[in-house]
Amino acid sequence: AQTVTQSQPEMSVQEAETVTLSCTYDTSESDYYLFWYKQPPSRQMILVIRQEAYKQQNATENRFSVNFQKAAKSFSLKISDSQLGDAAMYFCAYRPNFGNEKLTFGTGTRLTIIP
Amino acid sequence: DSGVTQTPKHLITATGQRVTLRCSPRSGDLSVYWYQQSLDQGLQFLIQYYNGEERAKGNILERFSAQQFPDLHSELNLSSLELGDSALYFCASSVPRDGLRDTQYFGPGTRLTVL
Repeated sequence: AQTVTQSQPEMSVQEAETVTLSCTYDTSESDYYLFWYKQPPSRQMILVIRQEAYKQQNATENRFSVNFQKAAKSFSLKISDSQLGDAAMYFCAYRPNFGNEKLTFGTGTRLTIIP
Repeated sequence: DSGVTQTPKHLITATGQRVTLRCSPRSGDLSVYWYQQSLDQGLQFLIQYYNGEERAKGNILERFSAQQFPDLHSELNLSSLELGDSALYFCASSVPRDGLRDTQYFGPGTRLTVL
């Protein structure tokens, strides 16, 4: 069974600084997708970024980028120029490209932005 | 705004009761997924429907059932409610009609409180 591990329950960063959230996963599949979702205090689940496993290039969305290391099964999220609005729970999620399309989530990292 | 709508936003009920949660997917999306977020279990996949048919089942209790209607909206029925069913229930949708696989976009959730 696939598992997703987020080993940092809480992180904090100074406003305008850079922070990296860690995620590792375990799978026997070779073709899959990885995602980071953000859950602010409103509890809405918001897609931050996605990565296809067959793409070697790391995904980037504005201030958000990932470091995808397929062999190491690692998928970290880097947030640059942190803003107060980035404060949220961040969930790493995995989905195989074939078979069951369910998302398997990690336990989340609570990110605090220090003004 | 993800384009996925869920009603109601909040639901407070008593043990032993039955409730229905409703979800409307993004326009054009054929798949609907239901997830439960609780403090002790984290985010768990419950069930997926694709174009009216059940596609995959996760950790869904026998007291819970779901269906997807011809207009593609979905309902999650929870019966014989217990205190432990109190959670945030999310609906997500994906897979546009052109058949391309896509990311799951989440609705705002329904917060269920069982007293």
